[in-house]
Amino acid sequence: AQSVTQPDIHITVSEGASLELRCNYSYGATPYLFWYVQSPGQGLQLLLKYFSGDTLVQGIKGFEAEFKRSQSSFNLRKPSVHWSDAAEYFCAVGFSGSARQLTFGSGTQLTVLP
Amino acid sequence: DGGITQSPKYLFRKEGQNVTLSCEQNLNHDAMYWYRQDPGQGLRLIYYSQIVNDFQKGDIAEGYSVSREKKESFPLTVTSAQKNPTAFYLCASRGQGKAVAEAFFGQGTRLTVV
Repeated sequence: AQSVTQPDIHITVSEGASLELRCNYSYGATPYLFWYVQSPGQGLQLLLKYFSGDTLVQGIKGFEAEFKRSQSSFNLRKPSVHWSDAAEYFCAVGFSGSARQLTFGSGTQLTVLP
Repeated sequence: DGGITQSPKYLFRKEGQNVTLSCEQNLNHDAMYWYRQDPGQGLRLIYYSQIVNDFQKGDIAEGYSVSREKKESFPLTVTSAQKNPTAFYLCASRGQGKAVAEAFFGQGTRLTVV
């Protein structure tokens, strides 16, 4: 069965510092990969997605992620974090033709220090 | 604007009551989903539906029921059989096909047992 692991439950960074959030997945074939962001009490907003092609994908709000097949990873990065980036971030994996669900990681809570 | 609307935003339930959470989408998506979110546990799938008049159980369906009488609507009923219903509930929809495999989320309903 497919699974998604986000090893970091909580990360704290200073404003202006760089950020990397880790995501690892388990599945035999190439999945579709997503990063979502959730502000408190809100729904999830898509940051970026990877379907195929270039393994470095650009998203909204200055985020990017890199798919590394050899490491089964899809880490999210941002060169300079803003205070408004404080939120919870979810990695998810899905498969073409499978309408059952996206499988979500347990999330990483990001705190940004002034 | 296309999107997903969940109502109400906050809902209180007395012990032994059934309550229904509304989810409506105007994205013309075939697939719809209900997730439950608890702190530190990510999103867990309750039910999903790929077409009208058809739905399947997810990972935590006990104590919940759904219907899909219209493509646009996928209401969730939390029954008295659900022993621990206090949680944040998210509805999502997803188009079929490779290019639209991402899920779109509503703003959520927070259910509290009083």
